[in-house]
Amino acid sequence: DQQVKQNSPSLSVQEGRISILNCDYTNSMFDYFLWYKKYPAEGPTFLISISSIKDKNEDGRFTVFLNKSAKHLSLHIVPSQPGDSAVYFCAAPITGNQFYFGTGTSLTVIP
Amino acid sequence: DAGVIQSPRHEVTEMGQEVTLRCKPISGHNSLFWYRQTMMRGLELLIYFNNNVPIDDSGMPEDRFSAKMPNASFSTLKIQPSEPRDSAVYFCASMEGGSQNSPLHFGNGTRLTVT
Repeated sequence: DQQVKQNSPSLSVQEGRISILNCDYTNSMFDYFLWYKKYPAEGPTFLISISSIKDKNEDGRFTVFLNKSAKHLSLHIVPSQPGDSAVYFCAAPITGNQFYFGTGTSLTVIP
Repeated sequence: DAGVIQSPRHEVTEMGQEVTLRCKPISGHNSLFWYRQTMMRGLELLIYFNNNVPIDDSGMPEDRFSAKMPNASFSTLKIQPSEPRDSAVYFCASMEGGSQNSPLHFGNGTRLTVT
């Protein structure tokens, strides 16, 4: 049972435009969420996180929004750059340090 | 900081053979995780250790899989005997203890192909 879901396996965006990656979760116990970015042949790297006490967290071109009532979070990248092309995973930890990951969204930023 | 180091990067083996994947976590991190990535299921947690002790191995798919962490700087994931459906990328990750809101730090993975 996927507790963290990314329903869009891929997304293509023109350079300079906004990329929006979505993630849904089912477990209301989750209180912290993370986004990871993965390039081919590399491990995922931590990108940005958000606590459930917030509804927005911004770090440069990256902003994560959290809608607790909808159990939905999204990652916005503005402006998108070709180097942002990667697979993005959302993740949520639960007690005991278990992290649940989505299946990933492959972002392609077209120059 | 050298990051999490995994070896080998690629492993090709025949069905029935034993496979051992290795991981060196970041120094000072006291939690270590083994994940498997497949197209269908994304990143699946196989097992994790706190202070070298296995805490949850419920993600280990079968008895053919075993993991050890003999000390704070080394862990192995062993598959014996290996099967073609074990083909995947296996990631090791480590994390600082003390807070579950610390991010995981991943190695670059081992791509396993079982023929």
